[in-house]
Amino acid sequence: TQLLEQSPQFLSIQEGENLTVYCNSSSVFSSLQWYRQEPGEGPVLLVTVVTGGEVKKLKRLTFQFGDARKDSSLHITAAQPGDTGLYLCAGEDTNAGKSTFGDGTTLTVKP
Amino acid sequence: KAGVTQTPRYLIKTRGQQVTLSCSPISGHRSVSWYQQTPGQGLQFLFEYFSETQRNKGNFPGRFSGRQFSNSRSEMNVSTLELGDSALYLCASSYNRGPTGEQFFGPGTRLTVL
Repeated sequence: TQLLEQSPQFLSIQEGENLTVYCNSSSVFSSLQWYRQEPGEGPVLLVTVVTGGEVKKLKRLTFQFGDARKDSSLHITAAQPGDTGLYLCAGEDTNAGKSTFGDGTTLTVKP
Repeated sequence: KAGVTQTPRYLIKTRGQQVTLSCSPISGHRSVSWYQQTPGQGLQFLFEYFSETQRNKGNFPGRFSGRQFSNSRSEMNVSTLELGDSALYLCASSYNRGPTGEQFFGPGTRLTVL
């Protein structure tokens, strides 16, 4: 069974601060997705990374896939209250045909 | 393009009852996956259907079952409900699960078992 560990589990910061969320595994994934989920709603896809070492930017969010495709990070610059939510990473195991989700990082950005 | 829809949004049942949840995927999407989300266990994979066939299954008891219709709409059923089945049940659709693994989630059905 493939496992994904996210850290930290909870993060509370002030508006304007930077932060990084980590997603680690001992398994190799064919791709990795990051989602953001708000209370009472389903996760919304933010990005997919496929190639080892790949870096993708989405406005103030920077996503990186580890060289060995076992880990990933999400960095937010100058966080805003609208960034508040549960951030989930999910690794895709093509052979098994399913995704494994991390337990999530709950981010609170205070104005 | 309309997103993934799930009905009902909220459901309250008592132990021992059964429940059926419905999911309509994005038009053109043929793969539908179901997940259970709880505070303690996070997002757990239940099963995936593709072209009316169950293609993958997670580690849940046989009380959890599903099906997919020819129009790709899917239903999941939970029989003999237990208190621990209280959770947010999420449905996700994709054109076809592949290396990118991208899925699009519905808003979920919040099931409370009393």
